[in-house]
Amino acid sequence: EDQVTQSPEALRLQEGESSSLNCSYTVSGLRGLFWYRQDPGKGPEFLFTLYSAGEEKEKERLKATLTKKESFLHITAPKPEDSATYLCAVHITGNQFYFGTGTSLTVIP
Amino acid sequence: NAGVMQNPRHLVRRRGQEARLRCSPMKGHSHVYWYRQLPEEGLKFMVYLQKENIIDESGMPKERFSAEFPKEGPSILRIQQVVRGDSAAYFCASSPGRNEQYFGPGTRLTVT
Repeated sequence: EDQVTQSPEALRLQEGESSSLNCSYTVSGLRGLFWYRQDPGKGPEFLFTLYSAGEEKEKERLKATLTKKESFLHITAPKPEDSATYLCAVHITGNQFYFGTGTSLTVIP
Repeated sequence: NAGVMQNPRHLVRRRGQEARLRCSPMKGHSHVYWYRQLPEEGLKFMVYLQKENIIDESGMPKERFSAEFPKEGPSILRIQQVVRGDSAAYFCASSPGRNEQYFGPGTRLTVT
């Protein structure tokens, strides 16, 4: 059973067209939820950590929010350089981090 | 401050050979994680180590795979007698604690 589900799998946006990516999780004992950006052929790049429902973090055009069952990554007025795969991961009790399969974002100029 | 370093970046091995993947964590980080990534799949946890200790290897196959993080030098993921199914990207991440992880560029292993 999947612990972390990301949707949509792929998203195409026009430059400037804001949208949100979703990460839902079915785990208990959440110790942290993480967002990463991954470019082709590279390792994931850390973006945000969220620890409790209601928490929000922002960085440039990105804003991450967390509820008890899901997290959203809001992208405001995206630019072509925001094109990448966005991954979320959850850390539950113990040592393991569970990653979703990601949302592939393409921003068209 | 150098990031996480992995080498080699690309590795080609014939079936039955051994593969050694190296990971140097960020300065000051004593926690290392190894993950495997297959096309169209998410990152899968393999093993979590601290200096000289394997903390959790529950994601690593019991046979042919081993990992170490010695007191001096990089962490090493070793795959013995590789098979075609071992072909994947292997990522190492380091952390100052049990929170956000910083990833290296990965080693892409191809088994022919």
